[in-house]
Amino acid sequence: QKEVEQNSGPLSVPEGAIASLNCTYSDRVSQSFFWYRQYSGKSPELIMSIYSNGDKEDGRFTAQLNKASQYVSLLIRDSQPSDSATYLCAVNIDAPGGGADGLTFGKGTHLIIQP
Amino acid sequence: DVKVTQSSRYLVKRTGEKVFLECVQDMDHENMFWYRQDPGLGLRLIYFSYDVKMKEKGDIPEGYSVSREKKERFSLILESASTNQTSMYLCASSFPGLAITGELFFGEGSRLTVL
Repeated sequence: QKEVEQNSGPLSVPEGAIASLNCTYSDRVSQSFFWYRQYSGKSPELIMSIYSNGDKEDGRFTAQLNKASQYVSLLIRDSQPSDSATYLCAVNIDAPGGGADGLTFGKGTHLIIQP
Repeated sequence: DVKVTQSSRYLVKRTGEKVFLECVQDMDHENMFWYRQDPGLGLRLIYFSYDVKMKEKGDIPEGYSVSREKKERFSLILESASTNQTSMYLCASSFPGLAITGELFFGEGSRLTVL
């Protein structure tokens, strides 16, 4: 069973600073990594995906992947109070017999941006 | 606009009752999933389906069964509800190739309380 580990937080960051969220995974064959954001009382939504070692930027968000260390992170620059949410790291899983695929989620990191 | 609809937002059931949670998606997605989300435990995959009448066990299938008679509908069944099944249940759907897109579309969730 694949495992995805995240620090549950809460992680408190001042407005305008960089928020850094970290995730480690256990299965070396995992190839695809994703970050979901979940606001309180809402369902998760996909915000970033990364497949290759290195950085991937999208606006204020940067995903970083290091497959050798089995580590993926999410940086949020110029943090805003609206970024306050729980951030879930997810990795792909493969069904037995190759029937389908799915995602295994970490427990999530609760991020608080302080105005 | 993509839509995953869960039939009940809030349910209260008694121990031993049979419970049906219904999920319908209008995006013609092949894949459908049931997760449960608990504080401190995160999102855990119960079952998923990649085609009509096909199903795969997730990480925590015990005490649950599923039914997928039509492509758009995926039902989660608790044959005999127990108090440890009190949780938020999230249905999701996706196109094949989730390992590439990573995009799960979630419903709003069904909060089940078992007394």
